Amino acid sequence: IVLTQSPGTLSLSPGQRATLSCRASQSVSSSHLAWYQQKPGQAPRLLIYYASTRAAGIPDRFSGSGSGTDFTLTISRLEPEDFAVYFCQHCGSSLRCTFGQGTKLEIK
Amino acid sequence: EVQLVQSGAEVKKPGDSLKISCRVSGYSFSNYWIGWVRQMPGQGLEYIGIIYPGDSDTRYRPTFQGQVTISADKSVSTAYLQWSGLRASDTGIYYCARLGIKPSGSYAYSFDIWGQGTMVTVSS
Repeated sequence: IVLTQSPGTLSLSPGQRATLSCRASQSVSSSHLAWYQQKPGQAPRLLIYYASTRAAGIPDRFSGSGSGTDFTLTISRLEPEDFAVYFCQHCGSSLRCTFGQGTKLEIK
Repeated sequence: EVQLVQSGAEVKKPGDSLKISCRVSGYSFSNYWIGWVRQMPGQGLEYIGIIYPGDSDTRYRPTFQGQVTISADKSVSTAYLQWSGLRASDTGIYYCARLGIKPSGSYAYSFDIWGQGTMVTVSS
């Protein structure tokens, strides 16, 4: 399974809404789709699992949705600390996992 | 506190062997899968493989099969990633991460806790 994220770079201002896309090359179970945030010099941080469940401590401005081949991460109102790179990830039942190539969210 | 603490940065020459570690604390090491992820300089995340320390069940992404070895030692709650002959293309940051489990006991199919990363540089 190949995950394709779009756009590659998203330029927005604090307070705006961000919509990031992740498309799978074939239909996947939403139970197996996750999103991560990575800031420079840091390890990735889990944001969303099961396509729409926020991980512990993640603010409610982050939300995930989608099914089948199309999934979306939405940040309702961008805070300065949200500018980072975001990755989607799929793990199959056999625990073969793959990541999307990432979307860089930058300040406009 | 649940923690994954990785070994320090390494600088090696092509052909060298290397074993990096990921020591866990704050939970039962045997009961959670531990995965390894590579990030080459300025690039995205690549899944390498995963191990279940309870029975050493190990699975590799086909690209990495035969190129690296994943292992675990329950006596010291530590997972390992090793190479027998490094290449310049192995340069990157290597992360270990725990595969999460939902309160119901089913897999969350996501990595909920990550190590800080180990930088591996291979250069002649």
